[in-house]
Amino acid sequence: QSALTQPASVSGSPGQSITISCTGTSSDVGNYDLVSWYQQHPGKAPKLMIYEVTERPSGISNRFSGSKSGNTASLTISGLQAEDEADYYCCSYADSHWVFGGGTKLTVL
Amino acid sequence: EVQLLESGGGLVQPGGSLRLSCAASGFTFSSYAITWVRQAPGKGLEWVSNIGGSGAPTYYSESVKGRFTISRDNSKNTVYLQMNSLRAEDTAVYYCAKVFVGGSYSFDPWGQGTLVTVSS
Repeated sequence: QSALTQPASVSGSPGQSITISCTGTSSDVGNYDLVSWYQQHPGKAPKLMIYEVTERPSGISNRFSGSKSGNTASLTISGLQAEDEADYYCCSYADSHWVFGGGTKLTVL
Repeated sequence: EVQLLESGGGLVQPGGSLRLSCAASGFTFSSYAITWVRQAPGKGLEWVSNIGGSGAPTYYSESVKGRFTISRDNSKNTVYLQMNSLRAEDTAVYYCAKVFVGGSYSFDPWGQGTLVTVSS
């Protein structure tokens, strides 16, 4: 199982919107609507932000949204805030396995 | 409050063994699958293994299949990861996480992690 492909880094200014892409294959992202996104601050455990491509857990800001087209899923964060600065990982179920992306470091300028 | 607490990490020599534990509280333990995910120092997340609420099914990544064994004791609300034939590349923080909701394929919450270092 190869890791999903994410950009190593993205950046944006407070108030702006950014999108992080997550590219897989027809065996994982393209075959299941089971993509999730995790936020990880330095030294902390990951936190679920989006599940099943577009769903937000209770308590997660509606500034976070997810989407998918073909083999690529995306996480969009609107109205960037300083506390959004973190690493973000996508994850897809894939036939009795799970595969993570390599992670994207979001810098809020 | 749902909580998971990993323990059992430490320093082990290559070829050695270690058993990690994940103690859970705050939910009906036997109703939820638990997964292990690891993170090598300065690296990304890597899925390791998953176990169903009743103890089955179990799944493993190719990188640990045949060396690691996941199990659970629902009477103790604890999941275990027995790690044998450890290699330097197994060095990582190991997190356990609960499936978000029953039948879900996402994970939340996560424990704080336990560090495993494989080195001579």
